[in-house]
Amino acid sequence: DAKTTQPDSMESTEGETVHLPCSHATISGNEYIYWYRQVPLQGPEYVTHGLQQNTTNSMAFLAIASDRKSSTLILPHVSLRDAAVYHCILRVANQGGSAKLIFGEGTKLTVSS
Amino acid sequence: EAAVTQSPRNKVAVTGGKVTLSCNQTNNHNNMYWYRQDTGHGLRLIHYSYGAGSTEKGDIPDGYKASRPSQENFSLILELATPSQTSVYFCASGPGGQDTQYFGPGTRLLVL
Repeated sequence: DAKTTQPDSMESTEGETVHLPCSHATISGNEYIYWYRQVPLQGPEYVTHGLQQNTTNSMAFLAIASDRKSSTLILPHVSLRDAAVYHCILRVANQGGSAKLIFGEGTKLTVSS
Repeated sequence: EAAVTQSPRNKVAVTGGKVTLSCNQTNNHNNMYWYRQDTGHGLRLIHYSYGAGSTEKGDIPDGYKASRPSQENFSLILELATPSQTSVYFCASGPGGQDTQYFGPGTRLLVL
């Protein structure tokens, strides 16, 4: 299974735009890139996902390199509520179409006021 | 929004005892998953299911059984609990295919 590499931690200040990088050099052509985040004592929360084109939603902008070997989650104007561990995950389809998410350690984002 | 609930939220068990963790989802999702999360390992898939009556092994199924008696419910069973199974367990559901997974709040299990 293809794996991802992320920095262990990043620091930011409220109001800044944060760029969270993810490397996935062995990604397969049919693997989607998912981003989840998790705060202590809670389950992971979906942030966004994409295949080849950049995507955007109310939470974040996902920039995917043209060769798909890396991606960057961009969080505009972060607040204290955005402090979490951010996981970059590749979606591997199992038999029958079930989506298996392979979680790594993620990047711990700290936001200071 | 998807709603996934887990019970119990916290559990203390003794070594060799039987533990059942329950998960319920109210969104009619076909797929459900059980993960455990440990420091240094991230989230790891234990078992998953495509629908009622179906269970499949994930990456670390040893020592665990799963049961999917209905679309809404998915249980994780530890027949003979061991201290190495002390962890936080997360249940998730998803509609299948190119989907997101919605996670429950987690169950913290301590096996003494």
